[in-house]
Amino acid sequence: AQTVTQSQPEMSVQEAETVTLSCTYDTSESDYYLFWYKQPPSRQMILVIRQEAYKQQNATENRFSVNFQKAAKSFSLKISDSQLGDAAMYFCVIREGSQGNLIFGKGTKLSVKP
Amino acid sequence: DAGVTQSPTHLIKTRGQQVTLRCSPKSGHDTVSWYQQALGQGPQFIFQYYEEEERQRGNFPDRFSGHQFPNYSSELNVNALLLGDSALYLCASRWASGDTQYFGPGTRLTVL
Repeated sequence: AQTVTQSQPEMSVQEAETVTLSCTYDTSESDYYLFWYKQPPSRQMILVIRQEAYKQQNATENRFSVNFQKAAKSFSLKISDSQLGDAAMYFCVIREGSQGNLIFGKGTKLSVKP
Repeated sequence: DAGVTQSPTHLIKTRGQQVTLRCSPKSGHDTVSWYQQALGQGPQFIFQYYEEEERQRGNFPDRFSGHQFPNYSSELNVNALLLGDSALYLCASRWASGDTQYFGPGTRLTVL
């Protein structure tokens, strides 16, 4: 069974600074996908970034990047130049294959201080 | 391009009642999944519909059932409501061959 562990229930960062959110996962599959989703107080779950397990290159989306360590089953999210609008709950998510359902971690609540 | 929409936004029911939640997928998407998110937790997969059939199911009792219509919209039905069914219910859609799910804003269900 797949599991996702986010060991930081809450994190805080100063505006314009950099923060890293941690995530570890477990799966027996070789074909899987990893995602970070963001859920602001408005409740809308928004895709932040995705990573295919077969790709060695770390994904990057503007200020968001990941550090994907496949052997260690680690998938951390780095947010650079943090903005007030980045404040939200962040979920690390795994999906086996292209048709599997999503397995979510418990989330990390990120606060951004002005 | 309309995203995933859900109705209603909020709902209050009493124990033992039945409820129906609705979801319209993002334009062009044909696969719909439902998730339950309890307060302070990550979402949990309920089931997925494609071509009007339930294709996958999570660890939820038969009280939870669904339907997908020819226009790809979907309903989630919950019978004999329990207090523990109080949660945010999220709908997500994707293309059958796609690998990214897009979520709706959710329906907040409160069972009294």
